Amino acid sequence: TQLLEQSPQFLSIQEGENLTVYCNSSSVFSSLQWYRQEPGEGPVLLVTVVTGGEVKKLKRLTFQFGDARKDSSLHITAAQPGDTGLYLCAGGNTGGFKTIFGAGTRLFVKA
Amino acid sequence: NAGVTQTPKFRILKIGQSMTLQCAQDMNHNYMYWYRQDPGMGLKLIYYSVGAGITDKGEVPNGYNVSRSTTEDFPLRLELAAPSQTSVYFCASSRKGQDRVLSGNQPQHFGDGTRLSIL
Repeated sequence: TQLLEQSPQFLSIQEGENLTVYCNSSSVFSSLQWYRQEPGEGPVLLVTVVTGGEVKKLKRLTFQFGDARKDSSLHITAAQPGDTGLYLCAGGNTGGFKTIFGAGTRLFVKA
Repeated sequence: NAGVTQTPKFRILKIGQSMTLQCAQDMNHNYMYWYRQDPGMGLKLIYYSVGAGITDKGEVPNGYNVSRSTTEDFPLRLELAAPSQTSVYFCASSRKGQDRVLSGNQPQHFGDGTRLSIL
């Protein structure tokens, strides 16, 4: 069974701080996706990384896919209150199209 | 653009009652999914469909049924509601890729969820 473990589970920081959240597995994935979910809404895709070692930037967010395609990280520079939410990583199953979701990192950025 | 629409947004059921959660998408996506999200547990796949007339079980299918008579609609049926089914339910859809692996790399578009409580 493929599993994705996210850490930390919860993070509370001040506006302007930097942070990194992690998504780890012992399994290889064909892709890694990061979603952000706000209260009362469904997850919304932020990025998909496909190639081992790939780095993608989305404004203040930097996503990296591990060389072995087993892990990923999300780094946020100068966090803002608008970054508050639940960050979910999701792995594309190499054996098919079903996606495996991690339990998420709940981020709270205080003004 | 509506995207993925789920109804109802909230519902309270008594143990043993039945209900259908509705999901519709207007993006002509082949793949549709039902997930449940419990606190601290992430999203668990209940059922999925790769096209009209084709459905298959996900990770936690017990107590649920689905049908896919059209590309647009993918209702989820609870026949005998149990307290363990209290959760937030999300429907999602995605495009078909060139192969199964590429299909798994496609972004999923989610509805806003149905919060279901069973008492």
